[in-house]
Amino acid sequence: KQEVTQIPAALSVPEGENLVLNCSFTDSAIYNLQWFRQDPGKGLTSLLLIQSSQREQTSGRLNASLDKSSGRSTLYIAASQPGDSATYLCAAPQGAQKLVFGQGTRLTINP
Amino acid sequence: EAGVVQSPRYKIIEKKQPVAFWCNPISGHNTLYWYRQNLGQGPELLIRYENEEAVDDSQLPKDRFSAERLKGVDSTLKIQPAELGDSAVYLCASSLAGTLSYNEQFFGPGTRLTVL
Repeated sequence: KQEVTQIPAALSVPEGENLVLNCSFTDSAIYNLQWFRQDPGKGLTSLLLIQSSQREQTSGRLNASLDKSSGRSTLYIAASQPGDSATYLCAAPQGAQKLVFGQGTRLTINP
Repeated sequence: EAGVVQSPRYKIIEKKQPVAFWCNPISGHNTLYWYRQNLGQGPELLIRYENEEAVDDSQLPKDRFSAERLKGVDSTLKIQPAELGDSAVYLCASSLAGTLSYNEQFFGPGTRLTVL
């Protein structure tokens, strides 16, 4: 059974800082891993999907890495902005199509 | 291209009343998912459809929850009767299936249910 843990649960940093969000998963037999963003009262927006054959995936100021052997993924946000404030969720598959989510990291960027 | 559409966005009902949520997936996506997200938690899968067939409903509380996906497109999730503990956000997602290595899921805005 897949279990996903995200640390920290909440993070508050000043604008402009680089930061790292952590995700760990127990079943490393995964095909991919997905990072989402969720704004208050809204649905989930897919940020990055990393295939198991990749080690990194980049989109703008976001970079996600995947280390299957250690069961870890990180989301790196460069030059953070107040608009980056949201909850970030990591999700790893269990079996073919079921996604198991972590509890999320609530990120606040202070101007 | 339109994303996943859900309605209603908000619903407030009294306990023991029935409620239904509707989802229209991204055009061409044959896999549809219903998730429930409790406050401060990540979403949890309730049911997954491949076309019109429910292939994973192990987490669906079948005594009060039901779902259908007629013609393999739109889907409806129903709760009858609702209980206080059903208050949550109900999210619908869709994806292309058939390729194990690529199952990126796209989510709708969700329906926030409050049971009084």
